[in-house]
Amino acid sequence: DAGITQSPRHKVTETGTPVTLRCHQTENHRYMYWYRQDPGHGLRLIHYSYGVKDTDKGEVSDGYSVSRSKTEDFLLTLESATSSQTSVYFCAIRTGTTSSYEQYFGPGTRLTVT
Amino acid sequence: TQLLEQSPQFLSIQEGENLTVYCNSSSVFSSLQWYRQEPGEGPVLLVTVVTGGEVKKLKRLTFQFGDARKDSSLHITAAQPGDTGLYLCAGSQTPSGGYQKVTFGTGTKLQVIP
Repeated sequence: DAGITQSPRHKVTETGTPVTLRCHQTENHRYMYWYRQDPGHGLRLIHYSYGVKDTDKGEVSDGYSVSRSKTEDFLLTLESATSSQTSVYFCAIRTGTTSSYEQYFGPGTRLTVT
Repeated sequence: TQLLEQSPQFLSIQEGENLTVYCNSSSVFSSLQWYRQEPGEGPVLLVTVVTGGEVKKLKRLTFQFGDARKDSSLHITAAQPGDTGLYLCAGSQTPSGGYQKVTFGTGTKLQVIP
């Protein structure tokens, strides 16, 4: 257990509305990640952060933005939700070294865009 | 482009049987991780392998990293219903001048029937 919580755990929203998902960690990890998981695609990286106010894009970042104003919180925002963003979203932190890379995941947020 | 191919995609076996799951790529990875995910939860890290040819054992689970660090296998001996879940492999790479990149396989869904 890496002390990662996500909120909300479930959300249903309408197309075009903004949505913010929160990831909170209690162990002061530097690196945090947002993934989405969809059938047939596995886990795909949306954005990641390597420190407070330091973020970068992953492979599926279009339509998403992130912010990290405190070490413990990493927020994922869908500015205008679309049905293609219906997915399960996972936050993760990283430990280990460059040669032994380990990630620990939160419990996930199931988002449905109608 | 899916860099990590897992096989089989689905596996349904009787309790007590042995099984092997494969994770293959044409790319070289600096390390490779195996995760197990249960419905409604985030992936849980099982093991990290780093050295080509490395073998790690975790109770009835045996993990092997290929000599060329392009592939890996997970062998379960005498499977039990508690082994049921989605098994994911993930390979990490460090592009020159960039941050580590992690690629996930699409997973192997295992069902162990009592």
